[in-house]
Amino acid sequence: DVKVTQSSRYLVKRTGEKVFLECVQDMDHENMFWYRQDPGLGLRLIYFSYDVKMKEKGDIPEGYSVSREKKERFSLILESASTNQTSMYLCASSPGTRGTDTQYFGPGTRLTVL
Amino acid sequence: GESVGLHLPTLSVQEGDNSIINCAYSNSASDYFIWYKQESGKGPQFIIDIRSNMDKRQGQRVTVLLNKTVKHLSLQIAATQPGDSAVYFCAETGQAGTALIFGKGTTLSVSS
Repeated sequence: DVKVTQSSRYLVKRTGEKVFLECVQDMDHENMFWYRQDPGLGLRLIYFSYDVKMKEKGDIPEGYSVSREKKERFSLILESASTNQTSMYLCASSPGTRGTDTQYFGPGTRLTVL
Repeated sequence: GESVGLHLPTLSVQEGDNSIINCAYSNSASDYFIWYKQESGKGPQFIIDIRSNMDKRQGQRVTVLLNKTVKHLSLQIAATQPGDSAVYFCAETGQAGTALIFGKGTTLSVSS
């Protein structure tokens, strides 16, 4: 079974803090994704990566950056957290050379920024 | 622009009934579609997928139907159980080489 793990299930941070969300997948997938999920807005793509050290902006990249130094790990970074970044963050991975294969999700990290 | 939507944000059924969750998509070039289930406090889980060269695919208690003429996708759940209560998302391929596009979800509530 594909396993995607996220470093924290719940996280509380203060405005202005730098926040790191870590995601690890164990299936040697090429592609990894970060989404945020908010009521009424569904899943919105923040960033994705097709390969190590490669990243592409999704629909809402502002206020976020990412890092993919190893194939199995994809990190989401909030340089200076703000209250409007309070959300559920979901990481996903998929095999293949396109980003349009089945994506497998982690359990999510619920981030609260005070 | 491209969008994936669901006809109803909520659906309530009785245990044992069959459930049908609908999804309309706008990109006629999409060639791959997926249904996900998300239980409270968990990440979305893959349920079933279908490629555009098919119009029906069956899994265990679930069937996905694809009507490319009207750009409509549906998920049928047979003999719905309380454990089926969740939010269901459809997703489609975006333009070639880009990530999946997700709908906003339908919340299925099953009462016993």
